[in-house]
Amino acid sequence: AQSVTQPDIHITVSEGASLELRCNYSYGATPYLFWYVQSPGQGLQLLLKYFSGDTLVQGIKGFEAEFKRSQSSFNLRKPSVHWSDAAEYFCAVARGGGGNKLTFGTGTQLKVEL
Amino acid sequence: KAGVTQTPRYLIKTRGQQVTLSCSPISGHRSVSWYQQTPGQGLQFLFEYFSETQRNKGNFPGRFSGRQFSNSRSEMNVSTLELGDSALYLCASSPTGLAGVGETQYFGPGTRLLVL
Repeated sequence: AQSVTQPDIHITVSEGASLELRCNYSYGATPYLFWYVQSPGQGLQLLLKYFSGDTLVQGIKGFEAEFKRSQSSFNLRKPSVHWSDAAEYFCAVARGGGGNKLTFGTGTQLKVEL
Repeated sequence: KAGVTQTPRYLIKTRGQQVTLSCSPISGHRSVSWYQQTPGQGLQFLFEYFSETQRNKGNFPGRFSGRQFSNSRSEMNVSTLELGDSALYLCASSPTGLAGVGETQYFGPGTRLLVL
């Protein structure tokens, strides 16, 4: 069965600093990977996804993620964090080849200090 | 296009009662999935409906059920509520329900259920 690990429960960064959120997955075949963001009281918004091709994926709001098969990782990065980026971030994996079940990590709560 | 809508947004029930939550997907989307989000268990997949048929099911007891109508709207029902059912219930829609080939699921704002 697939699984996702987000090792950092909380991360605090200063506004303007760079950000990297870690995500490791466990899946036997080619994974389909997603990053979602959740603001308080809101649903989940897709930031970016990887399913084939270029291993560096660009998303919305200036985020990018790099798929590294050798490390089973799909880390999310942003060069300069804005105060409005404070939210909870979830990495998710879908079983390749079909199906719509997403398996989520436990999330990383991002706090941005002004 | 209007996004995924969920009603009601907030709900308070007592143990033993049952509850029905509603989800209207994005127009044209035929797949609707339901997730439960709790502080302890995180986000967990409940089930998915496509063309009025349950296509996938997570590891939840039979008290959790759902259905989908011909217009793709979906409802989920929880019978005999327990305190542990208190959670944010999220609905997501996608055109054909193929996250496994990179299709995006679009989430609604959720229904927050409190069981007393």
